[in-house]
Amino acid sequence: KAGVTQTPRYLIKTRGQQVTLSCSPISGHRSVSWYQQTPGQGLQFLFEYFSETQRNKGNFPGRFSGRQFSNSRSEMNVSTLELGDSALYLCASSLEGGTSGSHYNEQFFGPGTRLTVL
Amino acid sequence: AQSVSQHNHHVILSEAASLELGCNYSYGGTVNLFWYVQYPGQHLQLLLKYFSGDPLVKGIKGFEAEFIKSKFSFNLRKPSVQWSDTAEYFCAVISSGTYKYIFGTGTRLKVLA
Repeated sequence: KAGVTQTPRYLIKTRGQQVTLSCSPISGHRSVSWYQQTPGQGLQFLFEYFSETQRNKGNFPGRFSGRQFSNSRSEMNVSTLELGDSALYLCASSLEGGTSGSHYNEQFFGPGTRLTVL
Repeated sequence: AQSVSQHNHHVILSEAASLELGCNYSYGGTVNLFWYVQYPGQHLQLLLKYFSGDPLVKGIKGFEAEFIKSKFSFNLRKPSVQWSDTAEYFCAVISSGTYKYIFGTGTRLKVLA
């Protein structure tokens, strides 16, 4: 079974630009979560989608947005990039997400997209 | 607000030394707890998880963790580390009925051969 894939793997943008990152979950997984990983901050939760609906979001400004398609693939968008947005953006998929049952809770992470804002 | 604290940011050990990484969370309700590991150049992967029952849980590669509810802690242990355990370790918590994982800031472990 193929793992979680993220594209592109690396991105370099300049301040003020916008960027779209893509995540393809493991086949059959309906929940997709996004995280921002930076040194010293660890992983910070951005949002989680299930069946094209955002069920939860973290404490990020409105410049960060996402969506999920009917095939469970997800995209996240960051508009008006700032230097502080430089980070590794991770996507994770799980069968159902949340805590509906122990079997559904495990998240499988992708390799991430390394975003550098100059 | 929920939070997860990992007090050790960097740990350096020699092979065969024992390991204990601290993790404390702040949330009064029912939680599920996890340890994830990120080896150099690899994806984050699940090391072990606690849902209910025996508070001592065993994971892959000889790791274990103990949930102490009264202390809001979920410390990771390994009796004898190997060079291949060099990685970054993250503690995470999810509150029952939510879909939002809270991760700690991570602990970088370096094991000297």
